[in-house]
Amino acid sequence: QKEVEQNSGPLSVPEGAIASLNCTYSDRGSQSFFWYRQYSGKSPELIMFIYSNGDKEDGRFTAQLNKASQYVSLLIRDSQPSDSATYLCAVRLSGGYNKLIFGAGTRLAVHP
Amino acid sequence: DAGVIQSPRHEVTEMGQEVTLRCKPISGHNSLFWYRQTMMRGLELLIYFNNNVPIDDSGMPEDRFSAKMPNASFSTLKIQPSEPRDSAVYFCASSLGGLSGELFFGEGSRLTVL
Repeated sequence: QKEVEQNSGPLSVPEGAIASLNCTYSDRGSQSFFWYRQYSGKSPELIMFIYSNGDKEDGRFTAQLNKASQYVSLLIRDSQPSDSATYLCAVRLSGGYNKLIFGAGTRLAVHP
Repeated sequence: DAGVIQSPRHEVTEMGQEVTLRCKPISGHNSLFWYRQTMMRGLELLIYFNNNVPIDDSGMPEDRFSAKMPNASFSTLKIQPSEPRDSAVYFCASSLGGLSGELFFGEGSRLTVL
């Protein structure tokens, strides 16, 4: 079992719709979770992090965490063509020292 | 702030040659990570350092790969000898650590081994 799993996509949504990206992780002791966005040919950049169960909102983005189910998601409201990118879920593993493992990423395509 | 600086940005070499990738982390960051990204395997953690000390190198593919961090402002990833399957984008990232410590990535070094 991979430590961080995501559907590879592509996930195709129309402009203005809500895009829902999902991620599961295997390390039950993990404490913090990150969503990164990566445009083609570029390096990953942080969108949001979350470490408490529940929802965390930042503008059009909402991260949701359920530690009991070992599940984290990212919702993008009012999707724009500029949101088209690969979204990487990352998990900071338990055991200290900051080890951050990434999922394979979900490719999102927002069409006009 | 200059961000994480990697060099070279692109490297094309022939099988068997030695390759050295370089990274300068953001000043003040105490953790440094080397990742490799390919279409097939995604973003894989190779090794990471905390306060210049290698903490976990379990992701290093084999003995052909080695990494060093001689001081807080410089790290190298070396491949010797290189093979075509090493072709990938290699990212260096640094972090302040802590529960919400964000990773800041360099622009990556694209390696092609012929």
